Amino acid sequence: DTEVTQTPKHLVMGMTNKKSLKCEQHMGHRAMYWYKQKAKKPPELMFVYSYEKLSINESVPSRFSPECPNSSLLNLHLHALQPEDSALYLCASSQATIAGGSDGELFFGEGSRLTVL
Amino acid sequence: TQLLEQSPQFLSIQEGENLTVYCNSSSVFSSLQWYRQEPGEGPVLLVTVVTGGEVKKLKRLTFQFGDARKDSSLHITAAQPGDTGLYLCASLGGGSNYKLTFGKGTLLTVNP
Repeated sequence: DTEVTQTPKHLVMGMTNKKSLKCEQHMGHRAMYWYKQKAKKPPELMFVYSYEKLSINESVPSRFSPECPNSSLLNLHLHALQPEDSALYLCASSQATIAGGSDGELFFGEGSRLTVL
Repeated sequence: TQLLEQSPQFLSIQEGENLTVYCNSSSVFSSLQWYRQEPGEGPVLLVTVVTGGEVKKLKRLTFQFGDARKDSSLHITAAQPGDTGLYLCASLGGGSNYKLTFGKGTLLTVNP
């Protein structure tokens, strides 16, 4: 069983809808990530939060809005998405090192499969 | 940005066969991770290799890290249908200590 919990597992939304994806971890990890994955492709990094502050935004369109309410929670707010945004959205967490950065060992959730109609 | 070249991209074999997956870079890895992603799941970390020449075993899986820390391989002995999945090598880099760069992955199908 994964220690990173994502909800919902499946989401279907129209292009005018507003929805949110949620992620929770209780491993004490201070780095949390959102990845997007298309079928049979590797995950693509979207956002990184370190100590609840946005550390990396990989030039993601503003229709995706991340939020880190506390050290255990990570949300991804979705608005006015396009059909090409349909994908598996993965949340992950890792230890944040004292030197700044990750040890590279990410714990992934099972993902939220998003379909945009 | 460190590029990871992974091969082969697709592999379909029969149960009981052996296979090897390769991950290479033109740059030196500080460390390298191997993940497996089963259908409908998120990737799961299998191993981290750090030291050049290192060999790690995980049941029927053997991971090697090249002496120069520029290449790594994953060997599976007597593959089983449960080994089916997407195998990904990954390494930190890309201008940030938080950014994990993935190889393109090897999609393995083990037929019964």
